This record gives sequence, structure tokens and C-alpha cells, in this order.
Amino acid sequence: DQQVKQNSPSLSVQEGRISILNCDYTNSMFDYFLWYKKYPAEGPTFLISISSIKDKNEDGRFTVFLNKSAKHLSLHIVPSQPGDSAVYFCALYNFNKFYFGSGTKLNVKP
Amino acid sequence: NAGVMQNPRHLVRRRGQEARLRCSPMKGHSHVYWYRQLPEEGLKFMVYLQKENIIDESGMPKERFSAEFPKEGPSILRIQQVVRGDSAAYFCASSPTGSPLHFGNGTRLTVT
Repeated sequence: DQQVKQNSPSLSVQEGRISILNCDYTNSMFDYFLWYKKYPAEGPTFLISISSIKDKNEDGRFTVFLNKSAKHLSLHIVPSQPGDSAVYFCALYNFNKFYFGSGTKLNVKP
Repeated sequence: NAGVMQNPRHLVRRRGQEARLRCSPMKGHSHVYWYRQLPEEGLKFMVYLQKENIIDESGMPKERFSAEFPKEGPSILRIQQVVRGDSAAYFCASSPTGSPLHFGNGTRLTVT
């Protein structure tokens, strides 16, 4: 039962360019959607979220887009920085449960 | 306000031994979640607890695994008779109701 999918296990981007991370889901009954960032040997840290009633939320260099008809979530990072290199997980929340994708490893090259 | 504290950070057990992983949630957080991350995989939900109650354990293996969150003290994830396949990073997270999870830095369990 895989409700959340991140189909790209890795992504490599040049510093200063845009990074786009994608996430697809199957169930429409989620209240809100989140992105987490994880460095090696650390726990995931919350990055940004979006309510199911919105289609865009922006916080500095990070913007999350929600396309409910396509059941698709994306995270845009612009401009990308080497410190953004990490694994990014999307997560969906419903009824006190959080469902995580398998993660996308982002490498931002200087 | 200290974050979510997990200990130990690293735990080595021989096959057949017991592993106990502890998690102290952030102050004021009454919801605790345990996740497991196998090598090269994502975070898999194991169990969701509130004080003294298991709310959802649908991700827990039926045997050898148990979790508790007592009225006093940390949440404990207990794995009895560990096997090599239990080797993974175990993450605890806490939250107030409906808010984003705050994760600890995990316990890396190695079964030899």
C-alpha cells in the first residue's frame, strides 16, 4: 500500500539553478502536505507545508505547489545552493498519520 | 526547548538479543510516532502513540516488536530476539495535534 511516491531517487542541479522535486499520491483524502529535508546521520527536519485548500505556498527560496486534480506535489528551490544537498521527503497528513515518500537525493554542484 | 531526544544513537546487538530504543518527545508534545528507515529506502510508519495509549500500530511487525509511551518517562520501542533484517535507522517524532512532526536524530541499530 504505497500512497506516496517519489519516482526520482536522485537529482543533480548546478548551483544557482532551480531544483524541482516531485511527489505523486493516490488518495485524495489528505489534509495537508509537507516537505522534509534530511542530512546524513540526522533526523528529517520540516521544511514547508501546504494545506489541501491551497495550490501554492512560498517561503523564501522554497515554493511548494499542489495540483489536486493530478494528485501531484512539487517543491521548487531557487536559487539552489550547495547546502541544499540532502534527501528530500514529501509527506501527506490525514487523521493523525503522516505518510512519507521514499525520498529524492538532491545534489547541488558548486 | 530541547528537541526530540533519542538514545542511544547507535546500538549493536547480536542475533537473539533484545533492543530497547528510547525517545523523549519535545516538551508539550503528546503524540509520538516511530518510523523505520531501511538502507536506501524511505521512512516507514511503525506506530503512533499518545500518553499511555497505542493509537495506531498498523506498521508494526506482528511479532517481536512492541512500543509504549507511559505516563511518566520516554517512549520505548522494544525489539525482542533481533534478527539481521532489523538493522535499520529508527526515528522517533513528536507533535502537538495536527502539526508537522519534529524528528529526533534516530537510533541506528546494527544486528550482528
